[in-house]
Amino acid sequence: DIVMTQSPDSLAVSLGERATINCKSSQSVLSRSNSQNSVAWYQQKPGQPPRLIIYWASTRQSGVPDRFSGSGSGTDFTLTISSLQAEDVAVYYCQQYYNSLPLTFGGGTKVEIK
Amino acid sequence: QIQLVQSGAEVKKPGASVKVSCKASGYTFVSFGISWVRQAPGQGLEWMAWINPHNGNRKYAQMFKDRLSMTTDKSTTTASMELRSLRSDDTAVYFCARTVGYCTSSSNCYIHYLDYWGQGTLVTVSS
Repeated sequence: DIVMTQSPDSLAVSLGERATINCKSSQSVLSRSNSQNSVAWYQQKPGQPPRLIIYWASTRQSGVPDRFSGSGSGTDFTLTISSLQAEDVAVYYCQQYYNSLPLTFGGGTKVEIK
Repeated sequence: QIQLVQSGAEVKKPGASVKVSCKASGYTFVSFGISWVRQAPGQGLEWMAWINPHNGNRKYAQMFKDRLSMTTDKSTTTASMELRSLRSDDTAVYFCARTVGYCTSSSNCYIHYLDYWGQGTLVTVSS
């Protein structure tokens, strides 16, 4: 199975400041079929289901504010919140969907306000 | 709007089975797969399995292969999963999620990301 390792486990950021979350896969998730990286990011607020925010490593889901961006390639990926808002407090998960199953998630990163 | 509405919370004894349903609306049911994902209390997300409502093709995480069954009903646009031989460590919130992917044949499918999720169903296993 492909292991997704997120860091840090938690971070506290001041309102309006940048938040950066890292995700490392145990093998490359660059799809040979379309040359895109098979990584998605989800946001989960307490008591709610996860919400898809990024797929193919950098494509923002419809309706997601443009302060959220995804980057990276191969085995190293980053989710950036450019200017943290109060409503962004949540746990964020990365997920790989490279050719082999199972789908796997990172352990999650909790984002709080400093 | 796209919605996935799950059945209500369940309390089960060890060794029993539980069935969770997921009613989909707002999109063409057979055009997207359905994944099942669980989250133990205070823990992360664990993908369990996927089913293609169009042809019934199923994919499982190895640890659930022997205990998990999934079905879909095109007439009611409902997906269901049944987990058998419950243990205390099966206590979790179970989510269904619409899953983006594609199939090159009836048996060769690529499962990608989960774009819409149900609200979750808490299953508590306790004696």
